[in-house]
Amino acid sequence: QQQVKQSPQSLIVQKGGISIINCAYENTAFDYFPWYQQFPGKGPALLIAIRPDVSEKKEGRFTISFNKSAKQFSLHIMDSQPGDSATYFCAASDGTSGSRLTFGEGTQLTVNP
Amino acid sequence: EAGVTQSPTHLIKTRGQQATLRCSPISGHTSVYWYQQALGLGLQFLLWYDEGEERNRGNFPPRFSGRQFPNYSSELNVNALELEDSALYLCASTTGHVGNTIYFGEGSWLTVV
Repeated sequence: QQQVKQSPQSLIVQKGGISIINCAYENTAFDYFPWYQQFPGKGPALLIAIRPDVSEKKEGRFTISFNKSAKQFSLHIMDSQPGDSATYFCAASDGTSGSRLTFGEGTQLTVNP
Repeated sequence: EAGVTQSPTHLIKTRGQQATLRCSPISGHTSVYWYQQALGLGLQFLLWYDEGEERNRGNFPPRFSGRQFPNYSSELNVNALELEDSALYLCASTTGHVGNTIYFGEGSWLTVV
């Protein structure tokens, strides 16, 4: 079964700290791993994405680390800000159903000022 | 450029009734995906339409159905509504190219009472 497991379920970080969210997958055919950010009452918005040919991708304060052998990937938010407080979803797709994504369960991040 | 638009924003229905939700994709996008986001359950894939055809469906009963129109807009129909159908229904669109980013709308909240 195609699953993506995400942890932790919730995370509280102080302003300026590093937020780390982890995901693990089972399907070795997955070849696209995006992270989505969702604010209350809004649809998910793409934050950053990676493909398995690289081990790390950085965009501003957001970094994805990817470990193909362990079938794990993680999101690091450096210098976390209160405005980063949202729910974060990891996801994966394998291209067999277009761009269909399998999502993790989500992590509710709270950044305290 | 307009994003993915969904209507209605909120919908309240009685158990046993039918609900119809609508989605207009981003201009130029031919693929539309529907996801269900129930409280605490993450995003569950419902349906994928591309070029007017249903390409794939998730693990949902047949009373969840939909269609895509020639202008690539789509509607999701839920028949014989049950209380557990109460959720945020998200539509997403992308071009027909595999692995392209999918963009979500703000969603339609369906409440079944």
